[in-house]
Order: sequence, then C-alpha cells, then structure tokens
Amino acid sequence: KQEVTQIPAALSVPEGENLVLNCSFTDSAIYNLQWFRQDPGKGLTSLLLIQSSQREQTSGRLNASLDKSSGRSTLYIAASQPGDSATYLCAVSYLQTQGGSEKLVFGKGTKLTVNP
Amino acid sequence: KAGVTQTPRYLIKTRGQQVTLSCSPISGHRSVSWYQQTPGQGLQFLFEYFSETQRNKGNFPGRFSGRQFSNSRSEMNVSTLELGDSALYLCASSRFRTGRLQDYTFGSGTRLTVV
Repeated sequence: KQEVTQIPAALSVPEGENLVLNCSFTDSAIYNLQWFRQDPGKGLTSLLLIQSSQREQTSGRLNASLDKSSGRSTLYIAASQPGDSATYLCAVSYLQTQGGSEKLVFGKGTKLTVNP
Repeated sequence: KAGVTQTPRYLIKTRGQQVTLSCSPISGHRSVSWYQQTPGQGLQFLFEYFSETQRNKGNFPGRFSGRQFSNSRSEMNVSTLELGDSALYLCASSRFRTGRLQDYTFGSGTRLTVV
C-alpha cells in the first residue's frame, strides 16, 4: 500500500528559527514529490515540486530534498516567520498503469506555528 | 490569471440527500482531479478526469461519481449522503495528463457538512 507519513504532526517554534519537516513514503517508485502549504479553510498552494530524478529544489527560504532510495524527503525552512504558520503537506505521485494517469498520495501534514 | 474555482464554498446537507459540487479549472488545463480531506484520513484521491474521460479512481464507494464537460469543467456528485461524508472537497487542475512535469493547482475547496 502506498502511504506517506509526516513527522511531526505539529511543531511550534519561535520566530527566526530554522526548521526541518520530514516526509517518508513506503513505495519508492514515485514520479514526482511536492510540498504544499495549506492555510486554515483554504486550498493547497504548491511550494516545491521535485521530479524523481532530482535531489533537491530551492525557492527563497525553502529547500526541499529527496532521497528516493530511502523513501524520504525533507522541507527546510530558513529564518521562519509568523507568516509561515500553516499546515505543510507532502505528496508523492505515482503513474497508474491503467489509464496512464498520475495519482497523488498525501501525508496528513505538519501543522507549523511560528511564534513572534 | 484566474485560479481553480470551486462552488459552492460551503454546503450543509441532510443525511440521505445528494449533492453536486462544481470545479472550473484554470483556462487551458484539461485534467481535473478531486480529493476528499478529513481530519482523520487526510487528503484522499477520489478520481481524475482528462478530456471528459475518467482516467483513474480512488477507493470510494459508488455513491461518489463525477463527470467532466467539454469545456473541462467538472462536477462530482455524492448520493445518499452519510455523516462521514462531511469533509473539505478539493479540486485540482493541471495542464497535462501524464508524461510531463505535473504542477497541480488547487481550488479553495467546498466544505460539505452532513447533518
């Protein structure tokens, strides 16, 4: 069964701290991996997309790494700010043999609170 | 550019009723996927449509169905609603079906409450 696990489920840090969010997946035959941000009552915003052939992606204060062989990804947030407070979701995609479409499997997320 | 539009934003229904949710993808996007998000199960894949054809389906009962129109807009229908169907239903669109770099854009969701 294809499962994605995110640890920790919740994290509270003071402003300015660097932090790491973890994501692990059981089936390493992934197509892509994406990190999303979800604000309360809102949809998902894509933060970083890593193709299976890549090792990492960076955008501003965010850096995501991917280790397919160990089934792990990390999202590093530098110099955290109160505006970073949200739930961060990790999703892996798999190509479906039937229909050839791509299916996303999500973790349950890490709820991040950055305190001023 | 306009994003993915989901209507309605909020919905309250009674057990046993049916409901239809709508999703309008970004212009030019032909793939639409639907997800159910609950606190206990997280985000779970419902189904995906491309060019009016269902390409893939998740592990949900037959009460959950969907369709896509020629303008790529999609609807999902849930019949005989149960309390456990209360959730945030998210729609995502992407430009390509497969074989390309997928970059999903999500809508803000429809919050369905079944009482």
